[in-house]
Amino acid sequence: DGGITQSPKYLFRKEGQNVTLSCEQNLNHDAMYWYRQDPGQGLRLIYYSQIVNDFQKGDIAEGYSVSREKKESFPLTVTSAQKNPTAFYLCASIEGPSSYNEQFFGPGTRLTVL
Amino acid sequence: GQQLNQSPQSMFIQEGEDVSMNCTSSSIFNTWLWYKQDPGEGPVLLIALYKAGELTSNGRLTAQFGITRKDSFLNISASIPSDVGIYFCAGHRGAGGTSYGKLTFGQGTILTVHP
Repeated sequence: DGGITQSPKYLFRKEGQNVTLSCEQNLNHDAMYWYRQDPGQGLRLIYYSQIVNDFQKGDIAEGYSVSREKKESFPLTVTSAQKNPTAFYLCASIEGPSSYNEQFFGPGTRLTVL
Repeated sequence: GQQLNQSPQSMFIQEGEDVSMNCTSSSIFNTWLWYKQDPGEGPVLLIALYKAGELTSNGRLTAQFGITRKDSFLNISASIPSDVGIYFCAGHRGAGGTSYGKLTFGQGTILTVHP
């Protein structure tokens, strides 16, 4: 079955440590997105990538980094520079420019920094 | 970045009641999407709207693309307990080029359905 997978579902880290969240899709989608979700707020865009080896900052990129070495993978690193990293992180993908902007989401990773 | 104004923030209803929620913006959008998020899961696309004035249904769900292109509405008829969750609207300005896929989201409407 095609879809987007995010692992792990729950992640705990100590303050000051970098942590990498995985996002993989087998939908052959061109573009991938990372969002952060906090209680009572909508989804805020961290980074996105529309093509391999290229990515763009979203609205809240500070303290995060990404890579897009393969079409199917878009890992997100939460660095120690991110001041409040505890949140629910969602990865999404879209087929391409002709896909009517319909994003499909993975199941999310809940990161807790202790 | 801009967020859409979604209301109400939360709703507590009895099973069987109808539900209405809406999303407004000061800017024009060319695509409106409605998502539902179950607790601890990723959002799932419910309805997509592409044309001003369009009215689209998906089972008990009906959504409309406002004629001004600055708003959208979602109605749920005869609610059931599994309708519980967070409903998000999302819009795309449709500028084309590198902006494809970049959505603006509302803050979400939390729906609770009492049996």
